[in-house]
Amino acid sequence: GENVEQHPSTLSVQEGDSAVIKCTYSDSASNYFPWYKQELGKRPQLIIDIRSNVGEKKDQRIAVTLNKTAKHFSLHITETQPEDSAVYFCAASRGRAGGYQKVTFGTGTKLQVIP
Amino acid sequence: DVKVTQSSRYLVKRTGEKVFLECVQDMDHENMFWYRQDPGLGLRLIYFSYDVKMKEKGDIPEGYSVSREKKERFSLILESASTNQTSMYLCASSLRAGAEAFFGQGTRLTVV
Repeated sequence: GENVEQHPSTLSVQEGDSAVIKCTYSDSASNYFPWYKQELGKRPQLIIDIRSNVGEKKDQRIAVTLNKTAKHFSLHITETQPEDSAVYFCAASRGRAGGYQKVTFGTGTKLQVIP
Repeated sequence: DVKVTQSSRYLVKRTGEKVFLECVQDMDHENMFWYRQDPGLGLRLIYFSYDVKMKEKGDIPEGYSVSREKKERFSLILESASTNQTSMYLCASSLRAGAEAFFGQGTRLTVV
């Protein structure tokens, strides 16, 4: 089955600095890579995603890059703000006809942005 | 807005009890998932379902079973609860392959 590894497990940055979280996956059939943010006591929510036919995607201060050959993808947050403090999860998803989708998550990165 | 609702926020059960965790989604999603969340281990997939009465094992199915008799409802069953099943359980649903998963608020289960 799919194995998703995520690093680092914790990350502290100064406000305004950039943060990078990296993930690798094992199943070459995975074709959809979402990132979720989970604030303390809340449910995970999607912040950005990328499909296997795209190498990079950006949405304001967050961007995701994908290297299919190396089977790794990364989340980049620029100009970090205290409200970016949360746990971030990467995931790898494979699907097939009929709606079937299996989503495997990484172990999470706790990001702390220091004011 | 998509709504995924889990029947309980907190649950305390005794060892050996049969436990039912219920999840309902209101957006006609094809896929539904059950994860458990433990510190340092992330979200681990227990079971998922891609259609009514269709289910597949995830990465940690031992000690669990599921039921999906109706499209909107996905139940997780702990056949005989054990203390190592104390955890936060999260249900999620998605419209189709390659679509965003929406999560429920979670059920914190304690087995004593």
